Amino acid sequence: RKEVEQDPGPFNVPEGATVAFNCTYSNSASQSFFWYRQDCRKEPKLLMSVYSSGNEDGRFTAQLNRASQYISLLIRDSKLSDSATYLCVVCPYSGYSTLTFGKGTMLLVSP
Amino acid sequence: EAQVTQNPRYLITVTGKKLTVTCSQNMNHEYMSWYRQDPGLGLRQIYYSMNVEVTDKGDVPEGYKVSRKEKRNFPLILESPSPNQTSLYFCASSLKGVGETQYFGPGTRLLVL
Repeated sequence: RKEVEQDPGPFNVPEGATVAFNCTYSNSASQSFFWYRQDCRKEPKLLMSVYSSGNEDGRFTAQLNRASQYISLLIRDSKLSDSATYLCVVCPYSGYSTLTFGKGTMLLVSP
Repeated sequence: EAQVTQNPRYLITVTGKKLTVTCSQNMNHEYMSWYRQDPGLGLRQIYYSMNVEVTDKGDVPEGYKVSRKEKRNFPLILESPSPNQTSLYFCASSLKGVGETQYFGPGTRLLVL
């Protein structure tokens, strides 16, 4: 089982749609979880951290399910500017010094 | 402006010709790292540094060297580049480590002929 797995997409949705991405991780001891956004040919940028209790930032909601070892990202009311690749990122162990990135899920929002 | 800079942004070179990609951050971050990104493989860590003079291997360190003589700089050295090192390279930094926001540089596109 790969360490961090994501649906590769692309997800094609119309403006205003709600879209959800899932990510699974293999190491049950993983401690920190993040969603990064990467625009085409640009550097990744932090979208949001994922907390055990779930967290929301405007139209974006992140959830963590430790029992099932998956993380989700929900985007409501999609905008054209949401078109990007979304990277699921996991820190494998507490005190570990590296991150594991998923390969990313591409989102295309059309008018 | 707080930022991570990389140079060069684009580079075409030939097999075996030593090259250095520079990375600099102005945020007084302790943690810095290098990644390569390849189609279908995602971002993979090459090397990281927890602080000055402290470096360690990531997932794909073969063929690369790094140094951290100053807090702000973390150059990536390819002593003898090979075509399989053709990739998009990102430098990143964070305040203390991986549990915090990683700030990425703009990337360096390298083509080794």
